[in-house]
Parts: sequence; C-alpha cells; structure tokens
Amino acid sequence: AQSVTQLDSHVSVSEGTPVLLRCNYSSSYSPSLFWYVQHPNKGLQLLLKYTSAATLVKGINGFEAEFKKSETSFHLTKPSAHMSDAAEYFCVVLWPSTGNQFYFGTGTSLTVIP
Amino acid sequence: EAQVTQNPRYLITVTGKKLTVTCSQNMNHEYMSWYRQDPGLGLRQIYYSMNVEVTDKGDVPEGYKVSRKEKRNFPLILESPSPNQTSLYFCASSPGTGSLEQYFGPGTRLTVT
Repeated sequence: AQSVTQLDSHVSVSEGTPVLLRCNYSSSYSPSLFWYVQHPNKGLQLLLKYTSAATLVKGINGFEAEFKKSETSFHLTKPSAHMSDAAEYFCVVLWPSTGNQFYFGTGTSLTVIP
Repeated sequence: EAQVTQNPRYLITVTGKKLTVTCSQNMNHEYMSWYRQDPGLGLRQIYYSMNVEVTDKGDVPEGYKVSRKEKRNFPLILESPSPNQTSLYFCASSPGTGSLEQYFGPGTRLTVT
C-alpha cells in the first residue's frame, strides 16, 4: 500500500530562523506532490505542488520544496519563519497507479516562537 | 466568489439517526471528494467523484454513502451514524484532468453520541 510519512509531528522554530518540514513517500513512480497548510479552525490551503516539471517548486508565502526522486522525499522549507506561519502542514501525494485517490501525511504542527 | 460550501458546519446527533452533510461548489469542477480528519491521522479520503454519476471509494468508505447527481453537489450520507464517525469532515473539489489542486470547504464538525 502507498504511504506518506511526515517525519516530525511537531516542529518549533524561532521567528526569523529557517523552517524545514520533512516528507517521504513510499514509491517513486511518477507521483504528484503537494503541501497544504491548515491554520487553526480553518480549511486547507494549497502552498505548492509538484507535477513533473522543475524539481524545485516555489509556493506562496516564501515556501518552497524540492522533489528528490532517489530519496522519495519532498521536504518543505522557508528561509525565515514568520509568526503567521504557525499552522498544521500536510504533505499529500497522488500516484497514477492508484487512480485519483489522494494520500495525506499525518501532519506537522509548526510553532513559531517570538 | 469561487468557493466550496458545506452544511451544516456543526452537528451533534445520536447513534443510528440518518444524516446528510451537503457540499456544493460553484467552480464547475469535475472532481469532488470527502475527507475525515482525526487527531494524529491526518486526512483520510472517504469517497471521491470524477464526474456526475461516477464515484469511487477512498481509504475509509465504510459507513458512508455519496451521490453525484449534479456536477456542483456531492452530499455525504451517514445512514446509521456511530460514535466512531465523530470527526471533522472536509469536502474538496478540483478542476480534474490537468489541474490537481484541491479547494477545500470550511469543514463540518460531527459528534455522534
């Protein structure tokens, strides 16, 4: 079965320092990859997506992610954390072999310390 | 305004009492989906639909039904709710082929006692 693993359930950073949220997935076969953000008591919003174009993907609010096929990873980064980045982040994968079913990681809660 | 709407936003019900959560999108999207979100488990897909009259099971379809009679609507039906269906439910839609970005509704918090 396919799976998505977010290696950290909680990440805490100081404001102005870099953010790294890690995501690994179970199969490297042509996936489409996404990061979504969920602010408290809100729905989910797309941060960025990879769909077989450039391996370094830039998203909204200064976030970016790099697709590394050999490592089956799609880690999310941001050079400098802002207080408004505090939220839950989800890595999501879609494999062609599983039709149109999206697989979510269990989420990483990001805390930003002033 | 382009959006996905869900109703109700909050619902408390009792075991066995049939309920429907509605989902509607005004973006003419082909793809629609239902998820449930539980602490520590992320979001899990319940059902999805590629177009009118086409639905498929996701990871956790047991105890749920859906229908897609119109492109804009995708209701989630719980015929006989049980306490283990207490959860936060999200509806999402996507243009479909060529664009995989999903737009999420605000969520429905369901409690089954």
